[in-house]
Amino acid sequence: AQKITQTQPGMFVQEKEAVTLDCTYDTSDPSYGLFWYKQPSSGEMIFLIYQGSYDQQNATEGRYSLNFQKARKSANLVISASQLGDSAMYFCAMREAASGSARQLTFGSGTQLTVLP
Amino acid sequence: EAEVAQSPRYKITEKSQAVAFWCDPISGHATLYWYRQILGQGPELLVQFQDESVVDDSQLPKDRFSAERLKGVDSTLKIQPAELGDSAMYLCASSLVGTGNTEAFFGQGTRLTVV
Repeated sequence: AQKITQTQPGMFVQEKEAVTLDCTYDTSDPSYGLFWYKQPSSGEMIFLIYQGSYDQQNATEGRYSLNFQKARKSANLVISASQLGDSAMYFCAMREAASGSARQLTFGSGTQLTVLP
Repeated sequence: EAEVAQSPRYKITEKSQAVAFWCDPISGHATLYWYRQILGQGPELLVQFQDESVVDDSQLPKDRFSAERLKGVDSTLKIQPAELGDSAMYLCASSLVGTGNTEAFFGQGTRLTVV
């Protein structure tokens, strides 16, 4: 079974508008972390935002915020005031606690965001 | 600013040849990951190190892939012999250990083309 599901292969948004990228996850571990990464066409993976399973508040980092709904196992990324430079592939990832120090980081299939001028 | 270094950036190799990739993680990062990313897909973990020890290589095709991190610092991923299906981006990442909320920092990747 997929641990991370991103159901939107591609999304379009008008410049200066907000956009939500969906992510659902599957885990039975009570302790886990959720991450969002941006991958421009150059290939580098850029960390955007983190949400811990025990965090009471939704994470925010500048124009990025994470809409964390634990009961629904969703961790959607919201980008406000989209910019042309936001056009990229976006990946949701999860790290589950495991025995010892092995904390695997598992990625979804990604969403290609295109910001239109 | 500290970063994960990878080389080469691009590699073209012929089928059945050997190829190797190198990664130098951020200083002090005990955890090192090698991922393979096929175009249009998410990264898939090949191998994870904790210091010099392999903690997960369940997805590593061990008949042709090998990875080492002898001194617990830099790491090498090798493919021998390369196959056409190995064409992909190979990403190295590192992170601190101990807490689950530490993000992994990625290098710029090695784009491999097997012809």
